Amino acid sequence: DSGVTQTPKHLITATGQRVTLRCSPRSGDLSVYWYQQSLDQGLQFLIQYYNGEERAKGNILERFSAQQFPDLHSELNLSSLELGDSALYFCASSADLNTGELFFGEGSRLTVL
Amino acid sequence: EDQVTQSPEALRLQEGESSSLNCSYTVSGLRGLFWYRQDPGKGPEFLFTLYSAGEEKEKERLKATLTKKESFLHITAPKPEDSATYLCAATLSGGSYIPTFGRGTSLIVHP
Repeated sequence: DSGVTQTPKHLITATGQRVTLRCSPRSGDLSVYWYQQSLDQGLQFLIQYYNGEERAKGNILERFSAQQFPDLHSELNLSSLELGDSALYFCASSADLNTGELFFGEGSRLTVL
Repeated sequence: EDQVTQSPEALRLQEGESSSLNCSYTVSGLRGLFWYRQDPGKGPEFLFTLYSAGEEKEKERLKATLTKKESFLHITAPKPEDSATYLCAATLSGGSYIPTFGRGTSLIVHP
């Protein structure tokens, strides 16, 4: 158990809809990362937050947004969903910014029909 | 563009048959090289960090090594429980310290 909690574990929705994925980092970790994993793209970095502030952005679509709240949990919002958004979405946390040792949650599997 | 490439994509071994997984990178100014293990339906689990050429790290049947252009994950006398996907990631110096992941090597160890 990594200590990172993600909900929901599975989500099935239709094209055009909006969903919110939730992540609670390990106790004490200030940094939260969101990654997307699909069969054809591997693990792709989306966005990073540190202590409530956005710190780095990867290949995140404009239809996607995220935030980190004062209690350090984070949410990833995916809107105007397309079939190609079907993937596993992982949240990871770390104690600080300058580390590649990330602790991953078990992921949220999104299926868009 | 910074890239991390892993080979082979898939590897099947018999229990006890040692082998190596490769991770090559074109990241400019490597800051750190990381190995993760991912079991089906689970998130990646951190294994090792390597910082400089010549460095080695070991954990049970796994040993990770680093050269200036690539890293190897050596698996000695593997067991079926070593079956998993092994991911390599790299971060570059300067800018944000965000790991770029390779696509992984899927390892199956047959009893």
